[in-house]
Amino acid sequence: DVKVTQSSRYLVKRTGEKVFLECVQDMDHENMFWYRQDPGLGLRLIYFSYDVKMKEKGDIPEGYSVSREKKERFSLILESASTNQTSMYLCASSLGRTGVYGNQPQHFGDGTRLSIL
Amino acid sequence: AQTVTQSQPEMSVQEAETVTLSCTYDTSESDYYLFWYKQPPSRQMILVIRQEAYKQQNATENRFSVNFQKAAKSFSLKISDSQLGDAAMYFCAYRSSQGAQKLVFGQGTRLTINP
Repeated sequence: DVKVTQSSRYLVKRTGEKVFLECVQDMDHENMFWYRQDPGLGLRLIYFSYDVKMKEKGDIPEGYSVSREKKERFSLILESASTNQTSMYLCASSLGRTGVYGNQPQHFGDGTRLSIL
Repeated sequence: AQTVTQSQPEMSVQEAETVTLSCTYDTSESDYYLFWYKQPPSRQMILVIRQEAYKQQNATENRFSVNFQKAAKSFSLKISDSQLGDAAMYFCAYRSSQGAQKLVFGQGTRLTINP
């Protein structure tokens, strides 16, 4: 089974801090994603990556950056945390590009509940 | 841009009965993929069922089935013989057949199973 591991289940940080959320997958997947989950809004895509050192903005990239130096690891960075970034953050991975692997599902981690005080 | 709408924030059903969760989407594409994910209180998102838009036959997975109406852009999930373990948030998601494999999610429906 695919295993997507997020480094923290709960995290509390202060306004203005630089925050790192780490995600590791063990199935050699090309694609990795960061979502934010808020009640009533579902999941919204922050950033994704389809290859090492490649990244693309999702729907809500403002205030975030990402890093993918190795295929298995995808980091989400809050450059200067603010209270409106308090949320649940979910990492996911999937196999290949759309086309050959079109119906392949994304596999999710357990989520990090981040509180910014 | 594609959008996905789940109009039922909460649903409840008696154990052993059948429940249907609604999902509609908006797209100008003709080829795409649709998914239902389940998020139990443990928080990990689990794939329930998937449907390719080019397939007319509705997907089924044991007690879970979909009613895919392409012209109406509707993708509902039917859970038969509901069990206590089905209690969760359910998310409908859309993915284009072109480009990167981004998912567009609906707002979610919280399903409660009454014993």
